[in-house]
Amino acid sequence: DGGITQSPKYLFRKEGQNVTLSCEQNLNHDAMYWYRQDPGQGLRLIYYSQIVNDFQKGDIAEGYSVSREKKESFPLTVTSAQKNPTAFYLCASSTTGGFDSPLHFGNGTRLTVT
Amino acid sequence: QKEVEQNSGPLSVPEGAIASLNCTYSDRGSQSFFWYRQYSGKSPELIMFIYSNGDKEDGRFTAQLNKASQYVSLLIRDSQPSDSATYLCAVRQSGTASKLTFGTGTRLQVTL
Repeated sequence: DGGITQSPKYLFRKEGQNVTLSCEQNLNHDAMYWYRQDPGQGLRLIYYSQIVNDFQKGDIAEGYSVSREKKESFPLTVTSAQKNPTAFYLCASSTTGGFDSPLHFGNGTRLTVT
Repeated sequence: QKEVEQNSGPLSVPEGAIASLNCTYSDRGSQSFFWYRQYSGKSPELIMFIYSNGDKEDGRFTAQLNKASQYVSLLIRDSQPSDSATYLCAVRQSGTASKLTFGTGTRLQVTL
């Protein structure tokens, strides 16, 4: 079955440590995205990539980094520079052919930093 | 002004009634509009999208778009307790490639 796999589901880290969240898709989508969701807030865009080896900052990119070496994979690193990293992280993908292409989401990774 | 605004709710409707969820957006050049449902602790699931003025129906769901008023809504007919969730409105703004901008969501409670 085609879909988006995020791992792990839950992640716990100590403050000051970098952590990498995995996102893999087998939908053959060109575009991939990382959003962050905090309680009572909507989804906020961290980074997105429309093609391999290229990515753009979203609205809240500070303290995060990404890579897009393969079409299927778009890992997100939460660095120690991110001031409030505890959140629900959602990876998504879409085609880039038209304005009506929806985003499809993975199941999310819940990161807790203490 | 937020780019995409929704009333946070909760919106409470009795089982079998019509639930009406509303969303306004600030970018007049926005091209397409998406409704997602999100259960607590889960990821968003696409319900439907719309890009032309008027109504679009899919089963118990109807999306309504009025670009002149910069307003999009979602109607849920014959509401069921399983419809209780947070509904997210998302907009593809002009000149923003493929990314979506999300509202904060409206929490819907369907009561027995």
